[in-house]
Amino acid sequence: AQSVAQPEDQVNVAEGNPLTVKCTYSVSGNPYLFWYVQYPNRGLQFLLKYITGDNLVKGSYGFEAEFNKSQTSFHLKKPSALVSDSALYFCAVRGTPSGNTGKLIFGQGTTLQVKP
Amino acid sequence: GAVVSQHPSRVICKSGTSVKIECRSLDFQATTMFWYRQFPKQSLMLMATSNEGSKATYEQGVEKDKFLINHASLTLSTLTVTSAHPEDSSFYICSAPGTGGNQPQHFGDGTRLSIL
Repeated sequence: AQSVAQPEDQVNVAEGNPLTVKCTYSVSGNPYLFWYVQYPNRGLQFLLKYITGDNLVKGSYGFEAEFNKSQTSFHLKKPSALVSDSALYFCAVRGTPSGNTGKLIFGQGTTLQVKP
Repeated sequence: GAVVSQHPSRVICKSGTSVKIECRSLDFQATTMFWYRQFPKQSLMLMATSNEGSKATYEQGVEKDKFLINHASLTLSTLTVTSAHPEDSSFYICSAPGTGGNQPQHFGDGTRLSIL
């Protein structure tokens, strides 16, 4: 069965410090991995994706993620956190390529709190 | 970029009322759209996949007669919560896959449904 795990309910960092939000996955076949961010009472905004190629993926707002096949991980990172980065972050996987209509499987979500 | 518009953003109504939520792809066509339900600070739960011109595909445990989905055109899908009760109160989000292969899903801003 395909699954995504975000082991931390909440991550707290000080502004200016690096941040990491963890994600591990379990899929059959090659994973298509995504990170989304959700602000209160809003839908999800796409940050970045890994499909193939370079393991280090750069995305929106200075975020990046590293795909690690041996550890089945896709951790989200940012070198210097901003207070405005405080939000709910979701890792998602589309395990079985089926064109562009494949369903996403979401992790539980991690609340990022960046303090001034 | 691709935009998905969801309306209304918030609904407050009495128990027993039926509520319709619209999801529109504004600058692209979507033969498939997805409907999610989200409880506070929790992940997204896929309710159903809306298919243009055919019946929706519901996830296990989702009542088809309770949550009516219609995908009448390539840009519009609707979710109707019939005879809503307080336990149906939740945040409902729609999404549509972007055009082209391996594109991320684009999410609406969600509908906060409160049943009194």
